[in-house]
Amino acid sequence: AQKITQTQPGMFVQEKEAVTLDCTYDTSDQSYGLFWYKQPSSGEMIFLIYQGSYDEQNATEGRYSLNFQKARKSANLVISASQLGDSAMYFCAMSLLGAGSYQLTFGKGTKLSVIP
Amino acid sequence: DAGVTQSPTHLIKTRGQQVTLRCSPKSGHDTVSWYQQALGQGPQFIFQYYEEEERQRGNFPDRFSGHQFPNYSSELNVNALLLGDSALYLCASSRTGNTEAFFGQGTRLTVV
Repeated sequence: AQKITQTQPGMFVQEKEAVTLDCTYDTSDQSYGLFWYKQPSSGEMIFLIYQGSYDEQNATEGRYSLNFQKARKSANLVISASQLGDSAMYFCAMSLLGAGSYQLTFGKGTKLSVIP
Repeated sequence: DAGVTQSPTHLIKTRGQQVTLRCSPKSGHDTVSWYQQALGQGPQFIFQYYEEEERQRGNFPDRFSGHQFPNYSSELNVNALLLGDSALYLCASSRTGNTEAFFGQGTRLTVV
């Protein structure tokens, strides 16, 4: 079974500063994908960034980057130049990439608050 | 291009009743997954439908059932509602072979 752990229930960051949201995962499989989603108060889960277990370079998408450390089983999300609109819940998730393994396993999330 | 749409957005039901939630996937997507998100928790996988068949199921009782139609839209049915079924129900669609899933805005179900 897969498990995602997010140890920061809440984080505060000053506007325009960078922030790191922690995520560790547990799986015995070698082929998996790691995801970060943003969930505003409206409820919709918004896809931010993806990292495959075999990708050698850390994923980046605009202001988002994923700090992937395979040996430590960590996949931290870094948001650069925080904006007020970044205030939301952030969820780390993983999926196995083998045939028949399609579900996303989520962590409990981190609530990010951006301070003006 | 419309994304994933879910209906209704909010719903209040009484214990013991039955409920049906609906989901239309993003254009070009053929796979639909359903998740339950209790307050303060991350989403939990209920099941996934592909080619009108349930392809994988999470740890949910048989009271939770689903259906996928030929146009790829999907329904989630919950029978004999319990207070603990109160949650945000999220639908996600994807294209077979792609890892990225797109989520709808969810249906917030309250059981009283």
